[in-house]
Amino acid sequence: NAGVMQNPRHLVRRRGQEARLRCSPVKGHSHVYWYRQLPEEGLKFMVYLQKENIIDESGMPKERFSAEFPKEGPSILRIQQVVRGDSAAYFCASSQTSGDSKETQYFGPGTRLLVL
Amino acid sequence: GDSVTQMEGPVTLSEEAFLTINCTYTATGYPSLFWYVQYPGEGLQLLLKATKADDKGSNKGFEATYRKETTSFHLEKGSVQVSDSAVYFCALREYGNKLVFGAGTILRVKS
Repeated sequence: NAGVMQNPRHLVRRRGQEARLRCSPVKGHSHVYWYRQLPEEGLKFMVYLQKENIIDESGMPKERFSAEFPKEGPSILRIQQVVRGDSAAYFCASSQTSGDSKETQYFGPGTRLLVL
Repeated sequence: GDSVTQMEGPVTLSEEAFLTINCTYTATGYPSLFWYVQYPGEGLQLLLKATKADDKGSNKGFEATYRKETTSFHLEKGSVQVSDSAVYFCALREYGNKLVFGAGTILRVKS
């Protein structure tokens, strides 16, 4: 079974450009989460999505960041007009729809964003 | 809000030594607790979990017990190997599914 897939694994952008990060959850999982890991820090929650719905975006910066999980295709985390402070590793996780197994989140390998 | 505090690293041990990484939490209610491991350049892998008080999670020789009285979930292993070198994260699951992580503890095991 394929796990959570993220691409690209590494992304380099210049200040002011857009960054688009993709996440394909484990097959059968309909809950997706995005976390950010700044250098030398733990992971911080950003957003929780289900298909076509944003459930909790309390960790998302108010500007420039957006996320979606369409009916078809991967979840996308979009960062507009990137700044150097956006340089970080962005991890996606997914979980199942119901039961106790719902709460176990499985993580992808991450996208490491570097803003020059 | 909820929070997780881990012992600071790095922790450096010789092979076959006993490992303890302390983790305490602050939360309303009784959250599920997790340990994740991150190897260099990789994502997080679930190591073990416990969902209620006195539960013991275990995997690959690691174990941790959910202690409600002390709000702790310390990670232990009786005999570490070089291949255990990684960053270990303690986390709790808040109501609403999001995970709250500790800052992580770097473990280095020398042969």
